[in-house]
Amino acid sequence: KNEVEQSPQNLTAQEGEFITINCSYSVGISALHWLQQHPGGGIVSLFMLSSGKKKHGRLIATINIQEKHSSLHITASHPRDSAVYICAVENYGGSQGNLIFGKGTKLSVKP
Amino acid sequence: DVKVTQSSRYLVKRTGEKVFLECVQDMDHENMFWYRQDPGLGLRLIYFSYDVKMKEKGDIPEGYSVSREKKERFSLILESASTNQTSMYLCASSFKRRGGYNEQFFGPGTRLTVL
Repeated sequence: KNEVEQSPQNLTAQEGEFITINCSYSVGISALHWLQQHPGGGIVSLFMLSSGKKKHGRLIATINIQEKHSSLHITASHPRDSAVYICAVENYGGSQGNLIFGKGTKLSVKP
Repeated sequence: DVKVTQSSRYLVKRTGEKVFLECVQDMDHENMFWYRQDPGLGLRLIYFSYDVKMKEKGDIPEGYSVSREKKERFSLILESASTNQTSMYLCASSFKRRGGYNEQFFGPGTRLTVL
């Protein structure tokens, strides 16, 4: 069983729709990261959180430590949001800041 | 603007060749990482380094070696490339864990094809 599971694996949405991507993990963590990877490869950090909720523009990330679950929401989705979204956790007590990655959710937003 | 650069975006090599992938960061980060990314498998850690000349194996080190002679530079070496090493290779760097969040900064990736 993977330590970090994401769902769904693939997601197609119409422009303007509200999108939710889920992440569950099975290890104790000190932080959870949401990352975005556009076609072409580059990965950028969207959020880092260890409790509650964070918001940047149309993106919202929440985490429930007791349930070991996080969600990434995109409001009013746009074709430029099309990317792979990756959940990663910092294992509590893990060595040197290593991250454990989920396999990613490929999002396609159609105009 | 923080930067992690990789020596090539695309590389084509032949089976048995020795391959060098280089990564340079300008953020004075202690930690540097090499990952490979394959469809359906996500990012998998090959090796990481937390200081000059220090290295630790990740999840899939077989067939790879690394070198970190200078703080800003981390090289991945495929001693004898094989077709199953065809993949996207991503380098990342971060500060050593010091409380708070440990953001990793990624390079643009090198798509390696081994024929």
